[in-house]
Amino acid sequence: QQQVKQSPQSLIVQKGGISIINCAYENTAFDYFPWYQQFPGKGPALLIAIRPDVSEKKEGRFTISFNKSAKQFSLHIMDSQPGDSATYFCAASDRGSTLGRLYFGRGTQLTVWP
Amino acid sequence: SAVISQKPSRDICQRGTSLTIQCQVDSQVTMMFWYRQQPGQSLTLIATANQGSEATYESGFVIDKFPISRPNLTFSTLTVSNMSPEDSSIYLCSVYASGTSYEQYFGPGTRLTVT
Repeated sequence: QQQVKQSPQSLIVQKGGISIINCAYENTAFDYFPWYQQFPGKGPALLIAIRPDVSEKKEGRFTISFNKSAKQFSLHIMDSQPGDSATYFCAASDRGSTLGRLYFGRGTQLTVWP
Repeated sequence: SAVISQKPSRDICQRGTSLTIQCQVDSQVTMMFWYRQQPGQSLTLIATANQGSEATYESGFVIDKFPISRPNLTFSTLTVSNMSPEDSSIYLCSVYASGTSYEQYFGPGTRLTVT
C-alpha cells in the first residue's frame, strides 16, 4: 500500500513557468514532509521540508504548501529553469516513530524547456 | 548535513555472485539506512542498521540476501548475495543529520547491474 501518493508522474514546463507537484497521504501520524531532488546518477538531495504546524514554507524559488485537513502537500517551483530538470520525490515520516523511516512517493520527472 | 560516500559507485556483476557496498559518513551517527531504487522507480527501504545491534529489515527483504554490517558509528556495508538480474538497482545509504532524528541525507548511490 502506497503511503504517499504523488502526481503527476511527469511534468513538462516552459522556462520561467511554475512547476507544481502534488502529494497526498493517509497516515495522520505523519508530521514531517520533505521533498527530495534527484539528478541522474546522483543520490536524492534534501530540497525543502515542512512540518504540519505551518501551511507554507518558502526557500528561494521553492515553496511547500501544506493542507493538513485534506492531508495534501505540494511543491511549487517558481520561475522554473532548465537546471531544475530532475526527478522530485515527496516523502513523509512520523518523527515520533523509533525507526523514523521515510515513506516516499513514486516521483515526478520534471523537464523544463528553455 | 552529513557527507556520505559510497564504494563502489557502480559495478557490473554476474548472476550468482555477491557484491559488498560500503558506506562511509563524515560524522558519528546512530542509525544508518539502506535503500534500493530500481530503474525509474522510487526508493524502497531495505533495512535500518544501528551500531552494536542486528539490522532491522523491512518486509520483503531478508538477512540472507542482504546481510548488513555496522562495525562502528561511521561505517556500514550492505552485501547483495547470490545476485540475479532483478537485483539491478541503485543502492543508497542514508543517515540522519546531526542533531535530528528525522532529516535524512543520502549518499551518491551504487549503481549495480547484474548480467
